Amino acid sequence: DIQMTQSPSSMSASLGDRVTITCRASQDIGNYLSWFQQKPGKSPRRMIYGATNLAAGVPSRFSGSRSGSDYSLTISSLESEDMAIYYCLQSIQYPYTFGAGTKLELK
Amino acid sequence: EVQLQESGPGLVKPSQSLSLTCSVTGYSITSNYWGWIRKFPGNKMEWMGYISYSGSTSYNPSLKSRISITRDTSKNQFFLQLNSVTTEDTATYYCARSRGGYNPFDYWGQGVMVTVSS
Repeated sequence: DIQMTQSPSSMSASLGDRVTITCRASQDIGNYLSWFQQKPGKSPRRMIYGATNLAAGVPSRFSGSRSGSDYSLTISSLESEDMAIYYCLQSIQYPYTFGAGTKLELK
Repeated sequence: EVQLQESGPGLVKPSQSLSLTCSVTGYSITSNYWGWIRKFPGNKMEWMGYISYSGSTSYNPSLKSRISITRDTSKNQFFLQLNSVTTEDTATYYCARSRGGYNPFDYWGQGVMVTVSS
């Protein structure tokens, strides 16, 4: 299975901060990388797909990037509604695998 | 609008089978891929498997021969059966649509929490 190593596992940040979460793939996954946001009691919401494509309805402060086998989700200016757990997902090979998640909290 | 909704018992006894239904509206399950994902206490997420537009299936090897995903196209529903459950199968179960590997899980159900306990 492809392992997705996600970091950090948790972080706290202030409103307006620039926040970056990273996933590293154990094998080449090309751009088959998505990011999901999950708030308590809610279903996951896809934010980014194809490593860099913003999903429909997602605010433009969210962006995705890739550098080699490292994939990043960046929030350019943190808002209170962004507090959630974020997961990466590789979908190039079955079984699809998720990162362990990053819990983003308000400082 | 595409909507998915899971249903099924919230409590299952160890060694029994877990059976869930995902009802889809606004889109035909004879197109694209339809999957099951679960989230464990402690936040780990696991892809369990899918059923495709043609009825073919793919399962996570971690679930070995315990899992089966089937469908009823006349009702636009697909189903999860997980046999011989243990307490480690306690999780929130989600169904979701996938439009291929490059475009996965764009729509999700609200999730159903299943507890395995005697």
